[in-house]
Amino acid sequence: DGGITQSPKYLFRKEGQNVTLSCEQNLNHDAMYWYRQDPGQGLRLIYYSQIVNDFQKGDIAEGYSVSREKKESFPLTVTSAQKNPTAFYLCASSIGVNSHTQYFGPGTRLTVL
Amino acid sequence: SQQGEEDPQALSIQEGENATMNCSYKTSINNLQWYRQNSGRGLVHLILIRSNEREKHSGRLRVTLDTSKKSSSLLITASRAADTASYFCATDTTDSWGKLQFGAGTQVVVTP
Repeated sequence: DGGITQSPKYLFRKEGQNVTLSCEQNLNHDAMYWYRQDPGQGLRLIYYSQIVNDFQKGDIAEGYSVSREKKESFPLTVTSAQKNPTAFYLCASSIGVNSHTQYFGPGTRLTVL
Repeated sequence: SQQGEEDPQALSIQEGENATMNCSYKTSINNLQWYRQNSGRGLVHLILIRSNEREKHSGRLRVTLDTSKKSSSLLITASRAADTASYFCATDTTDSWGKLQFGAGTQVVVTP
C-alpha cells in the first residue's frame, strides 16, 4: 500500500518540551512539506524539502526544525521556542518540482499542556 | 492575509442538491487546486485547473476559473451525505513555484 504515514495520531506534551512528529512516505516522491492547521483555518506552510539533504523555511518556520536525511522521511521537531504549538500538523509530499498535486498524511494532533 | 479565500465559510444543504463554493485569490497563478478534508483527517486532492483553462469536470465536480476576476468556483452536483467535509482551494502562484497557498475553507454539511 503506497501512501504517507504520520505518527502518532495524537500527542500530548508538557510545555517546554521538544517533540518530534514523524512523517514517512513510500511514494518515491522527492518533495515533502509540513503544514500547521488551526481550528477553522487553512493550512500554513512550516517547512518544505524539494530533495534529500535540503529544506527551506515556509511561512511560519519559527520554533520548528526539520531534517531530510532520507527520501522517505521528513520529521518535524516542535521546539520549546514555539509559542503556541497546540495544533493539527499535516505532512504532504509531491512527485517533485514539476508536480503541483500534493498528497497528504492523516495528520498529528499535538496538544501542549 | 491568505492568498485564497473561500466563500461561503459554511454551507448546509440536503442530499440531492447542488453545492457551490467560491475561491478568490490575489496574485497570478500557475494553477488552482481544490482539496477536501474530512473532519480530523488529511486533505485529499480533488481537481487541478491550470491558468489557461476555464472549466474542468471530474465526476460530480465542476470547477471554473476566471483569471480576469481572480476567482474559481467548485460545484458539487447531486450531493450525498458522504460529501460532508471542508473544501479548500489552493493556489500555486507564479512567484512561489511549487508552494501552495491555502484558503480557510468552506465547511459543507449534507443532510439526508
